[in-house]
Amino acid sequence: EPEVTQTPSHQVTQMGQEVILRCVPISNHLYFYWYRQILGQKVEFLVSFYNNEISEKSEIFDDQFSVERPDGSNFTLKIRSTKLEDSAMYFCASSGSVNEQFFGPGTRLTVL
Amino acid sequence: AQSVTQLDSHVSVSEGTPVLLRCNYSSSYSPSLFWYVQHPNKGLQLLLKYTSAATLVKGINGFEAEFKKSETSFHLTKPSAHMSDAAEYFCVVSDSNDYKLSFGAGTTVTVRA
Repeated sequence: EPEVTQTPSHQVTQMGQEVILRCVPISNHLYFYWYRQILGQKVEFLVSFYNNEISEKSEIFDDQFSVERPDGSNFTLKIRSTKLEDSAMYFCASSGSVNEQFFGPGTRLTVL
Repeated sequence: AQSVTQLDSHVSVSEGTPVLLRCNYSSSYSPSLFWYVQHPNKGLQLLLKYTSAATLVKGINGFEAEFKKSETSFHLTKPSAHMSDAAEYFCVVSDSNDYKLSFGAGTTVTVRA
């Protein structure tokens, strides 16, 4: 069964460093998303991406964040200068339609 | 704007007894509703979804949920809990013209032997 994959599973970085989280969505899906879950808090929407552009973003998704689909398979989330409060589990999701999203296993980002 | 409220932060049941996880939603448009499960150190797995078809929705692992528009509820049930059901459960809403999912705070289910 096709699935969304994410790498790395755990990323540790120093405050102020750039990180890139990688995702491989399900191959025939057209919509891509990033969510995050800070420890002990709700899963929060960050951004959705369709047709090579951002279709919606939350207020969390400020200028520090960017997304890219550099080739036909990968979907990346870049955080330019990480802060302590960026520590969270980041989930990538993809969907073939608006109504059902399939999630990857997540990348745990720890900012020291 | 859409949102969900999960009425119980923690539910504890004995193995073999019914499970009920309560969820109320708020949505400006015709909502799509979902239940996702997250086992420890795992990703989010879709249990079931409601997208304006039958109001009683059957999902994986014996779970089902009923959409009640008059009560704005989408409660999740399972007639007989299994030890493997111990996990975090999220009720999720999406407006029909919106891409993003809005998650509830989650309900932690523990199953006693």
